[in-house]
Amino acid sequence: GQNIDQPTEMTATEGAIVQINCTYQTSGFNGLFWYQQHAGEAPTFLSYNVLDGLEEKGRFSSFLSRSKGYSYLLLKELQMKDSASYLCAVKDSNYQLIWGAGTKLIIKP
Amino acid sequence: EPEVTQTPSHQVTQMGQEVILRCVPISNHLYFYWYRQILGQKVEFLVSFYNNEISEKSEIFDDQFSVERPDGSNFTLKIRSTKLEDSAMYFCASSEGYRVGNEQFFGPGTRLTVL
Repeated sequence: GQNIDQPTEMTATEGAIVQINCTYQTSGFNGLFWYQQHAGEAPTFLSYNVLDGLEEKGRFSSFLSRSKGYSYLLLKELQMKDSASYLCAVKDSNYQLIWGAGTKLIIKP
Repeated sequence: EPEVTQTPSHQVTQMGQEVILRCVPISNHLYFYWYRQILGQKVEFLVSFYNNEISEKSEIFDDQFSVERPDGSNFTLKIRSTKLEDSAMYFCASSEGYRVGNEQFFGPGTRLTVL
């Protein structure tokens, strides 16, 4: 079966750095996406990786290792508005997005 | 900035009734999707749609579900006979392309409550 694992919840301090991990086992791989979802709202796109390595986008970076089936999302200089769920999603061999359950990130002052 | 819109934002219905959820994808996008998210659970793929036909569908998308693009702008999800377990947030999304790297843009969702 297809599986994407993320920690259920993480807590971090405003101004700090946090790394959210994601491991996946899917039938095929056509890229990995990170989305942010505030409670009651739609997911919004953060980043995309299809090749190994680090993609940096402002305060957010995402890393991929295809051989390990592993990705992480790195958030720097955390702000209170970063409190949200972070969803890892993989495009499988049929180009369908398979979603993780999300990591709820709580930012404390 | 172009965005995906969905109506209604909330829909309350009685079990066994039919509901139609509406979406207007971004105008130059060619691929459309429906997802659902039961409260507190993960996002689940329902169906993808291209060139006026279903491209892929999940096991969830059974005979009670159907999708349609009735005109040049709307994309609808119909649930024929709603069940209690259909209560969820339904998200529509669209993308320019389908394959590697094409970001999907999500609408704000319709919260469906089946009583």
